Amino acid sequence: DTEVTQTPKHLVMGMTNKKSLKCEQHMGHRAMYWYKQKAKKPPELMFVYSYEKLSINESVPSRFSPECPNSSLLNLHLHALQPEDSALYLCASSQVWETQRNEQFFGPGTRLTVL
Amino acid sequence: SQQGEEDPQALSIQEGENATMNCSYKTSINNLQWYRQNSGRGLVHLILIRSNEREKHSGRLRVTLDTSKKSSSLLITASRAADTASYFCALPPHNTDKLIFGTGTRLQVFP
Repeated sequence: DTEVTQTPKHLVMGMTNKKSLKCEQHMGHRAMYWYKQKAKKPPELMFVYSYEKLSINESVPSRFSPECPNSSLLNLHLHALQPEDSALYLCASSQVWETQRNEQFFGPGTRLTVL
Repeated sequence: SQQGEEDPQALSIQEGENATMNCSYKTSINNLQWYRQNSGRGLVHLILIRSNEREKHSGRLRVTLDTSKKSSSLLITASRAADTASYFCALPPHNTDKLIFGTGTRLQVFP
């Protein structure tokens, strides 16, 4: 299984809602990532988990809260988002978090719209 | 910024033609990667080329790396309509493990 799955595919939420994005992989990868991508822009790194521990937080606002319950799952909890947070949220994984073997496998993304 | 700058921003060609896109960067790197993204979907890894390699092939793809010029190119030969996508170079800056994506090239291949 060489797939990264993400749910939901689409999400519309109000600014007062609490929602979660989910990501799963069964490739035995020990590094997982969250990226944010605005239209016609490259993906921007948000968080990196290595061996289920948060290794990088790219100064992401606290209204985004990542969680890695186990080596296969990655969640992104959303609360009190702003309309400018509307974007495609991509999850990725890689074998380990090392530059020489850092090929990343991406999920299809969750299209988030904040009203 | 370590972000790669890609050129051209957009490219339109006919099926069967070759497509070349370039990526320039500013600091030293351990490797450089190329990814493809179909409209509004996840990215697919194409090729990783290490800093001690000059050229790499994968099917119809050919990637070159010139570390002295701090640039890389991706050549797609005999393009197909299915190659229509955005192509990004991605760089882990030296001494970090982050992956920074370039600005991207939008390729349109007409049947």
